[in-house]
Amino acid sequence: GAGVSQSPSNKVTEKGKDVELRCDPISGHTALYWYRQRLGQGLEFLIYFQGNSAPDKSGLPSDRFSAERTGESVSTLTIQRTQQEDSAVYLCASRNRGGAMNTEAFFGQGTRLTVV
Amino acid sequence: AQSVTQLGSHVSVSEGALVLLRCNYSSSVPPYLFWYVQYPNQGLQLLLKYTTGATLVKGINGFEAEFKKSETSFHLTKPSAHMSDAAEYFCAVRDYSGAGSYQLTFGKGTKLSVIP
Repeated sequence: GAGVSQSPSNKVTEKGKDVELRCDPISGHTALYWYRQRLGQGLEFLIYFQGNSAPDKSGLPSDRFSAERTGESVSTLTIQRTQQEDSAVYLCASRNRGGAMNTEAFFGQGTRLTVV
Repeated sequence: AQSVTQLGSHVSVSEGALVLLRCNYSSSVPPYLFWYVQYPNQGLQLLLKYTTGATLVKGINGFEAEFKKSETSFHLTKPSAHMSDAAEYFCAVRDYSGAGSYQLTFGKGTKLSVIP
């Protein structure tokens, strides 16, 4: 596709259930980021993938959060035993590193997660 | 570690008035700086970026920003606000955070309202 695609666009889940969020980056983009945006807040870094390197997981808030990426394509963010505090918009972004530091990240529309 | 401070979570201007959104950063190395805009219920869209070279950067929709190293600032301006500029604006900095990771750190955002 032409842009970063995230699915689902909206997800309502019951407290305690697991959820899986998907991100399809722009083809050829080697770098992929996940962010969380709580209502009225800025973007909170969660995790960063770069090619075959070990991901930077320093932003994951707890061990209930995990993310995987298949090669340089699709990524899934999994939240286990969801809590109401997990309610937020989860944004994915990809970047064509291509050896250049100055390339910008392109964002998807986000997945709005509501835990009830 | 880098950080970004956006002064003012909410800015209101009259239509036709100057827009000034403030951003200060801290970074251990010369930074790459970005401004993104987020319209309601949408993902983030790049407005402009500073990498190297000219310190005055022009972006889309008539916005520009000036990188001032001595002040560690990257304020966003537009001479004349339009109603369509009402959105949330995020300043971001990217630098190398070690172990192959290029973190992209965002400020908390400034919501711009334009009064007719």
